Amino acid sequence: DQQVKQNSPSLSVQEGRISILNCDYTNSMFDYFLWYKKYPAEGPTFLISISSIKDKNEDGRFTVFLNKSAKHLSLHIVPSQPGDSAVYFCAALGNQFYFGTGTSLTVIP
Amino acid sequence: GAVVSQHPSRVICKSGTSVKIECRSLDFQATTMFWYRQFPKQSLMLMATSNEGSKATYEQGVEKDKFLINHASLTLSTLTVTSAHPEDSSFYICSAHAPGQGDEKLFFGSGTQLSVL
Repeated sequence: DQQVKQNSPSLSVQEGRISILNCDYTNSMFDYFLWYKKYPAEGPTFLISISSIKDKNEDGRFTVFLNKSAKHLSLHIVPSQPGDSAVYFCAALGNQFYFGTGTSLTVIP
Repeated sequence: GAVVSQHPSRVICKSGTSVKIECRSLDFQATTMFWYRQFPKQSLMLMATSNEGSKATYEQGVEKDKFLINHASLTLSTLTVTSAHPEDSSFYICSAHAPGQGDEKLFFGSGTQLSVL
């Protein structure tokens, strides 16, 4: 049973525009959420995280929003750059880390 | 941030041989390490949780005798794929939990692409 879901397998955005990646989860006990970026044949690298006591966390071009009532979080990248093209995984921390299936982002120059 | 080193990055082997993958935490002690497997265009699937000094905890459906995990020290965990077969070909990634390392609580190795001929 997939406890963390990313329903969009892919997303294409023009350079300079905003990229919005979405993630839904089912377990209300999750208290920490993370976003990872992954290039092919490499391990994921940490991007940004948010605690369940917050609803927004910002780091440069990356902002994560958390809507606990909807069990939904999103990652906003603005402005998007070609180097942002990668697969993005959201993860939730419960008794272990649960990962979504990933969204492949393509930023078109 | 903390660094996790994983070797080898790529291995090609014949069917029936065993392959060992190492995962090291370079600048912190990792009492818990995780092993994941990723198929193309799919998510990271947790295989097992490796605890230093004790037996690994395997996820449902993961064969313990097939995927041997050893976590003999606070900085090293190994995954051995025994009697590898083509269906074991996959991308294997380790990670280490580092409480207190800022916001980033899970650090990943660079992964190992295993191809079994």
